[in-house]
Amino acid sequence: RKEVEQDPGPFNVPEGATVAFNCTYSNSASQSFFWYRQDCRKEPKLLMSVYSSGNEDGRFTAQLNRASQYISLLIRDSKLSDSATYLCVVNIRGAGNMLTFGGGTRLMVKP
Amino acid sequence: GAVVSQHPSRVICKSGTSVKIECRSLDFQATTMFWYRQFPKQSLMLMATSNEGSKATYEQGVEKDKFLINHASLTLSTLTVTSAHPEDSSFYICSARVGPNPNSGNTIYFGEGSWLTVV
Repeated sequence: RKEVEQDPGPFNVPEGATVAFNCTYSNSASQSFFWYRQDCRKEPKLLMSVYSSGNEDGRFTAQLNRASQYISLLIRDSKLSDSATYLCVVNIRGAGNMLTFGGGTRLMVKP
Repeated sequence: GAVVSQHPSRVICKSGTSVKIECRSLDFQATTMFWYRQFPKQSLMLMATSNEGSKATYEQGVEKDKFLINHASLTLSTLTVTSAHPEDSSFYICSARVGPNPNSGNTIYFGEGSWLTVV
């Protein structure tokens, strides 16, 4: 079983749609959680951290459920520019900031 | 924000040769850098953790004699792919942690990545 699992997609949605991604992690020692965005053939870039209380950044909302060990990302009012691969990333306690990446979920927003 | 520079961004080499990839932290000191590899349509896989002034820690299945890592200064780590084979063709990305305390925060910055093609 992978440490961080995501539905690879692709999710094909029209502009303006709301789309949600889920991610599950297996290590209960995971302490920090992030969503990264990776454009084709580019390096990943931090989209947002995920906090236990849930957090929002503009059109993006992230939530964490520690009991069920899953993380979600909600994108509202999708833009064409949101098309990318979204990586769920976990930092395990005591691992010195070593990040474990999920396989990514590909999103394609169409006009 | 902090910047991590990786060079070269693209390299083509012949099978059997070695190629070096550099990862530099431009405006901060990075005691720890990480090297990842990403094959097409797959996720980033950690290869090794590079610590300044000491030997790198390799992940299971990564050959340390094939992927040589040197972290001789607080701003530079290098990955050398030795005796490259076509199956080593991949996207190699480094990242660097800001600050010396591994538990002080989670500020990780990525380099732009290096595309290696072995022919």
